Amino acid sequence: EAGVTQSPTHLIKTRGQQVTLRCSPISGHTSVYWYQQALGLGLQFLLWYDEGEERNRGNFPPRFSGRQFPNYSSELNVNALELEDSALYLCASSSGQGNTEAFFGQGTRLTVV
Amino acid sequence: LAKTTQPISMDSYEGQEVNITCSHNNIATNDYITWYQQFPSQGPRFIIQGYKTKVTNEVASLFIPADRKSSTLSLPRVSLSDTAVYYCLVGSTPMNYGGSQGNLIFGKGTKLSVKP
Repeated sequence: EAGVTQSPTHLIKTRGQQVTLRCSPISGHTSVYWYQQALGLGLQFLLWYDEGEERNRGNFPPRFSGRQFPNYSSELNVNALELEDSALYLCASSSGQGNTEAFFGQGTRLTVV
Repeated sequence: LAKTTQPISMDSYEGQEVNITCSHNNIATNDYITWYQQFPSQGPRFIIQGYKTKVTNEVASLFIPADRKSSTLSLPRVSLSDTAVYYCLVGSTPMNYGGSQGNLIFGKGTKLSVKP
């Protein structure tokens, strides 16, 4: 069974540009979570989608947005990139069936220069 | 959302048993307790999950007292490869399960360093 897949694995963007990151959850999982992890720091919760709806978002500015598609895959969009957006962006999926067992992808390493 | 408190760091030696305790005083009735392990530049990996008493799998044991206000992750006979950050999470999904409106909110975790 395929795990959570994220694309791309690495990318470099210039300050002010926009970026889209993609996540495919494990088959059958309806919940997708997005996190930002700057180098050496903890996991910062960004967004939670379940059944196509945004259920919660973390303390991030509106230029961080996303969506979940009918097949439960998800995109994270970041507009007007800033240097401090450089981080590992992790996606996780879970069944959303009443527990918090989630599976993480390998992440997308974003560097903003 | 149930808040968790863990030690920032712990040191151990190879072959020892390591116990990491997490406090979650305002855990809700429907909340589960879940532990994750994270290596640098990788996504966290699920270790173990429990609701009450004791849960054991091939990797670890999880001890939860009757009041469920804390939990202890026990790693038997650690090796150098167990050096990682360990996160304790409390919550449940979806919201209509009556839990602490959980989603996966990670705290700072416990950085475990295993020495030879």
